[in-house]
Amino acid sequence: EPEVTQTPSHQVTQMGQEVILRCVPISNHLYFYWYRQILGQKVEFLVSFYNNEISEKSEIFDDQFSVERPDGSNFTLKIRSTKLEDSAMYFCASSAATGQETQYFGPGTRLLVL
Amino acid sequence: GESVGLHLPTLSVQEGDNSIINCAYSNSASDYFIWYKQESGKGPQFIIDIRSNMDKRQGQRVTVLLNKTVKHLSLQIAATQPGDSAVYFCAEKPRAAGNKLTFGGGTRVLVKP
Repeated sequence: EPEVTQTPSHQVTQMGQEVILRCVPISNHLYFYWYRQILGQKVEFLVSFYNNEISEKSEIFDDQFSVERPDGSNFTLKIRSTKLEDSAMYFCASSAATGQETQYFGPGTRLLVL
Repeated sequence: GESVGLHLPTLSVQEGDNSIINCAYSNSASDYFIWYKQESGKGPQFIIDIRSNMDKRQGQRVTVLLNKTVKHLSLQIAATQPGDSAVYFCAEKPRAAGNKLTFGGGTRVLVKP
């Protein structure tokens, strides 16, 4: 069964450093998403991406964040200058098409900013 | 200051019994609802979804009920098994919100053998 994969599973970084979280969405999907979950809190939407551009973003997704689909398979989330409060689980998700809204989530990357 | 995490309501269920997990949603414009299961250290796993033009939908051992009048969603798990122990989240998608999902706070289900 196809699934979303994410790397790395864990990332520890120093405050102010840049991190790139990587995702490989399900191959025939067209919509891609990043969500995050701070420990013990709800899953929060960050950004959605379709047709090589951001289609929607939340207030959390400020100028420190960017997304990219550098090739036909990868989808990345970059945090330019990490802050302590960026520590969270980051989940990538993908869905097939409009009208097929089911979003399938990857296993997540646990980011710890020290 | 200290950040306060979400206190998850917990449902303890005897193995073999049925479980009912409830969710209240806030946006009357939501037209799509979905239940996810999250095991410790893993990503949300799709269980079942329902559109607002339906009241009930059944899957394998699971049933989702939607009451739009009171903005309430429930997930019923039949014959709960130890593997059902997890945190369960409901999520909603407002009609005009693109594909963004808004998640609820979650319910922890503990299955006792």
